[in-house]
Amino acid sequence: EPEVTQTPSHQVTQMGQEVILRCVPISNHLYFYWYRQILGQKVEFLVSFYNNEISEKSEIFDDQFSVERPDGSNFTLKIRSTKLEDSAMYFCATEHETYEQYFGPGTRLTVT
Amino acid sequence: AQKVTQAQTEISVVEKEDVTLDCVYETRDTTYYLFWYKQPPSGELVFLIRRNSFDEQNEISGRYSWNFQKSTSSFNFTITASQVVDSAVYFCALLSGNTPLVFGKGTRLSVIA
Repeated sequence: EPEVTQTPSHQVTQMGQEVILRCVPISNHLYFYWYRQILGQKVEFLVSFYNNEISEKSEIFDDQFSVERPDGSNFTLKIRSTKLEDSAMYFCATEHETYEQYFGPGTRLTVT
Repeated sequence: AQKVTQAQTEISVVEKEDVTLDCVYETRDTTYYLFWYKQPPSGELVFLIRRNSFDEQNEISGRYSWNFQKSTSSFNFTITASQVVDSAVYFCALLSGNTPLVFGKGTRLSVIA
């Protein structure tokens, strides 16, 4: 069964550093999303991406964040200058056209 | 505004008991979708079910069943004969209008052997 994959599974970085989280969507999926889950809290929407551009973003997704699909397969989330409060699990999700979002296993980001 | 409420923060049951997880949603849209996801201790989010607003039929999948009632804006999830492997955090979520998926705060289910 096809699945969404994410790398790395765990990233530790120092405050102020840039991180790039990577996602490989299911091959025929057209819509891509990033979500964040701070430890013990609910899952929060960050951004959606369709047809090579951002279709929607939340207030969490400020200028420190960016997304792109550089090579037509990987879907990346970049945080330019990480803060302590960016520590969370980051989930990529992808969707075909059925309103069913399939989530990757997540990347746990720890900012020290 | 869209909102999902999962009033039960934590539930503990003994193996083989039935358990129902509650989900109440709010939306002004007439077309919307409701979801349940399971998050086991390993952390991933596992899609369980999608239900659209025009389909109020209850659904059963093995030991899992869902009761969708528009009159009470609820989409409850029942696990029959619970097992230890059912221990996880369960999230209810709502997709409506042009807004992104909105999650509830989750219910942590512990099934004790």
